[in-house]
Amino acid sequence: SAVISQKPSRDICQRGTSLTIQCQVDSQVTMMFWYRQQPGQSLTLIATANQGSEATYESGFVIDKFPISRPNLTFSTLTVSNMSPEDSSIYLCSVEDPRDTNEQFFGPGTRLTVL
Amino acid sequence: AQKITQTQPGMFVQEKEAVTLDCTYDTSDQSYGLFWYKQPSSGEMIFLIYQGSYDEQNATEGRYSLNFQKARKSANLVISASQLGDSAMYFCAMRANSGNTPLVFGKGTRLSVIA
Repeated sequence: SAVISQKPSRDICQRGTSLTIQCQVDSQVTMMFWYRQQPGQSLTLIATANQGSEATYESGFVIDKFPISRPNLTFSTLTVSNMSPEDSSIYLCSVEDPRDTNEQFFGPGTRLTVL
Repeated sequence: AQKITQTQPGMFVQEKEAVTLDCTYDTSDQSYGLFWYKQPSSGEMIFLIYQGSYDEQNATEGRYSLNFQKARKSANLVISASQLGDSAMYFCAMRANSGNTPLVFGKGTRLSVIA
């Protein structure tokens, strides 16, 4: 299975600041997906990141608020900009296993609290 | 568009008993995959089992099996011989098999295993 790491694992931030979350995969993957899980809720897709092109955002999410970089096939970052308490969530990156597309794996998540 | 429905917000099961977690789905795609994930209190998403829409056999992985009824559009997860460590949130998800499409999640079911 693909091994995914995320940094930071958790953070507490002040409103109005920004946080960049890193996602590293141990193998090359075409697409990386970023999800948000608000407290007590299910996972909602923020955007899909393809290497070499701009990320594709879901309805309700915009690039100015959640800029994404995808500089190579094993790495991506998600920035949560100008944070407010409503951004307090777990942020997870996810990839399809390149060796078995019937499996999709998640990073350990970044637990963000905005005060 | 795809939709996943999990109608059980919470379930209780006695240790060593079997439990079924319900999942129904809606999609216009002919080829798709169904997934189950476990999310313990730590927040990580653990992949459990996968069922392809054209698979004739129900998927099994150890104590997990997926009761796939295509005509009813249901993909229930069966956990046999429940253990205390099975207490967690369980999410059903699906995606179309049209290449690099993201997972769509249900709201989840919180399973509590009682000693």
